Amino acid sequence: GAVVSQHPSRVICKSGTSVKIECRSLDFQATTMFWYRQFPKQSLMLMATSNEGSKATYEQGVEKDKFLINHASLTLSTLTVTSAHPEDSSFYICSARGGRGLTEAFFGQGTRLTVV
Amino acid sequence: AQSVTQPDIHITVSEGASLELRCNYSYGATPYLFWYVQSPGQGLQLLLKYFSGDTLVQGIKGFEAEFKRSQSSFNLRKPSVHWSDAAEYFCAVGGNNNDMRFGAGTRLTVKP
Repeated sequence: GAVVSQHPSRVICKSGTSVKIECRSLDFQATTMFWYRQFPKQSLMLMATSNEGSKATYEQGVEKDKFLINHASLTLSTLTVTSAHPEDSSFYICSARGGRGLTEAFFGQGTRLTVV
Repeated sequence: AQSVTQPDIHITVSEGASLELRCNYSYGATPYLFWYVQSPGQGLQLLLKYFSGDTLVQGIKGFEAEFKRSQSSFNLRKPSVHWSDAAEYFCAVGGNNNDMRFGAGTRLTVKP
């Protein structure tokens, strides 16, 4: 299957700082990328969907000014957690799909964010 | 709106025993269905998917799932579980609007 690389795998930051997480499709062009958040022992919660070259669509309850998503190219999307707080600590996972219509999404390995 | 229900939060089976993980979905049109597996602290790995055609889908690692439209189900099965199958399993439904919705997950424990 296609490979999606997510970086960093772990990050610790101080409250009030911003953290950027990258999601790259290594061997295909990702027309759509998704960002999920997963709390311990819970399921994945879709945060936003981004299509290359357009603004991300955020799910209800997700603050777009808090979680900045940029999908500037067909192989890269970034999630920036701005002014991080301890409650933002979580496991963030991206996925990417290529082509038009429905195709399967490939997932990155996730990023464990800890805000201290 | 599409949604997925995994009724079993935690299942324990003995190694070598058969396994069935339940998944029910709600979707207004033809659903596209997926099963993923997640090991602790890791991303998700696709086990199998159903888009159309044969309702019995074969996946990796000896898993299979059957799409039953009349029951709105897509249960995952494996005839003989291995200790390495212990993990969290997620069922997901996707549609033409490009997004996917995940169930709450089922944690599988395998007893020796």
